[in-house]
Amino acid sequence: KNEVEQSPQNLTAQEGEFITINCSYSVGISALHWLQQHPGGGIVSLFMLSSGKKKHGRLIATINIQEKHSSLHITASHPRDSAVYICAVSRGNEKLTFGTGTRLTIIP
Amino acid sequence: DAMVIQNPRYQVTQFGKPVTLSCSQTLNHNVMYWYQQKSSQAPKLLFHYYDKDFNNEADTPDNFQSRRPNTSFCFLDIRSPGLGDAAMYLCATSREGVSGYTFGSGTRLTVV
Repeated sequence: KNEVEQSPQNLTAQEGEFITINCSYSVGISALHWLQQHPGGGIVSLFMLSSGKKKHGRLIATINIQEKHSSLHITASHPRDSAVYICAVSRGNEKLTFGTGTRLTIIP
Repeated sequence: DAMVIQNPRYQVTQFGKPVTLSCSQTLNHNVMYWYQQKSSQAPKLLFHYYDKDFNNEADTPDNFQSRRPNTSFCFLDIRSPGLGDAAMYLCATSREGVSGYTFGSGTRLTVV
């Protein structure tokens, strides 16, 4: 079993829909990261969380340390949000452990 | 803007011909990482530097080497690329204990 699990693996939605991607982890962490990768592209760091909630534009990330669970929400989704979203955790030594990613497709 | 820059963006090399990928950063981050990402897979850490201290992952093949001549630059050398080394190579930086990660745009390596 992976230390970091994401769901769903694939998600297709209509433009404007509210999107939720979930991440569960099974190890102690110092921080959880949400990353975005467009097809054939590099990785962009969206959020780093150790507690609570962060918001940036239409993106919101939450984390529940007790339940070892995090969610990434996208409000008013747009086709340019289509990408792979990766949850990753770091544990003191700074190295990242990655989830398997969620491929999001937003249809106009 | 402070950033992580990888060159080249695309690299085609011949089977067995040494190739070097480069990464530079203007963030003054003390930790630099090289990841290998194959199609539809999560990135795999090859090695990382804390300042000048090199840390190799146990399963990184000897074919992969790295150099960090100063804080700003880090190189990935593949001594004898095989077809299985075709992948996206990602450089990332962080400041130990403080910041999140900043990733470069990656170098897509093709081996022919």
